[in-house]
Amino acid sequence: NAGVTQTPKFRVLKTGQSMTLLCAQDMNHEYMYWYRQDPGMGLRLIHYSVGEGTTAKGEVPDGYNVSRLKKQNFLLGLESAAPSQTSVYFCASSYPPGQLPYEQYFGPGTRLTVT
Amino acid sequence: AQSVTQLDSQVPVFEEAPVELRCNYSSSVSVYLFWYVQYPNQGLQLLLKYLSGSTLVKGINGFEAEFNKSQTSFHLRKPSVHISDTAEYFCAVSDLDENEKLTFGTGTRLTIIP
Repeated sequence: NAGVTQTPKFRVLKTGQSMTLLCAQDMNHEYMYWYRQDPGMGLRLIHYSVGEGTTAKGEVPDGYNVSRLKKQNFLLGLESAAPSQTSVYFCASSYPPGQLPYEQYFGPGTRLTVT
Repeated sequence: AQSVTQLDSQVPVFEEAPVELRCNYSSSVSVYLFWYVQYPNQGLQLLLKYLSGSTLVKGINGFEAEFNKSQTSFHLRKPSVHISDTAEYFCAVSDLDENEKLTFGTGTRLTIIP
């Protein structure tokens, strides 16, 4: 039982390049989330998904796209990377609200630097 | 919409001393409350959570927190800290209307002094 895994762990991009971050979970969770963590700002929700084939915007969605083609995977895409997207990205998953245990399980993070 | 305030960005504490990390929230509806811990270069791990019932919640590693509805607070406490408690601690809230979303505080870095 690996929990939530993220690929890659580190990445350096040049401005304007694109990339996709992969999140996978093996807990059969319906809900999945992408956050970014910046110093002094805590975690902010980028996008989330309440089930296969569905996605929704979070607090800071601009510059990112997501897809949930399979229940266990949630992809975060940067089409044209900008230095402001330098951050640590965390994926999380959970059962639906009202279904215990109600908590989000986090992956180990991806450290992205855009130069 | 809810918000979370962690007033202390850094808290240094001597080993074996008690510690309290403060968290205040604002929300127009009832809430669920969480404390997560992040060890260096790792993801977030749940310490404890308040969903309903007893206002004193016990978590892992000897931590506990008390939900105070009138003060809109959920402070985290430990009676005696250890070097291994050095980490960043995040308070988070979700409201019962949109409880698929977590709003995080900015974090408190706890440093244990030997």
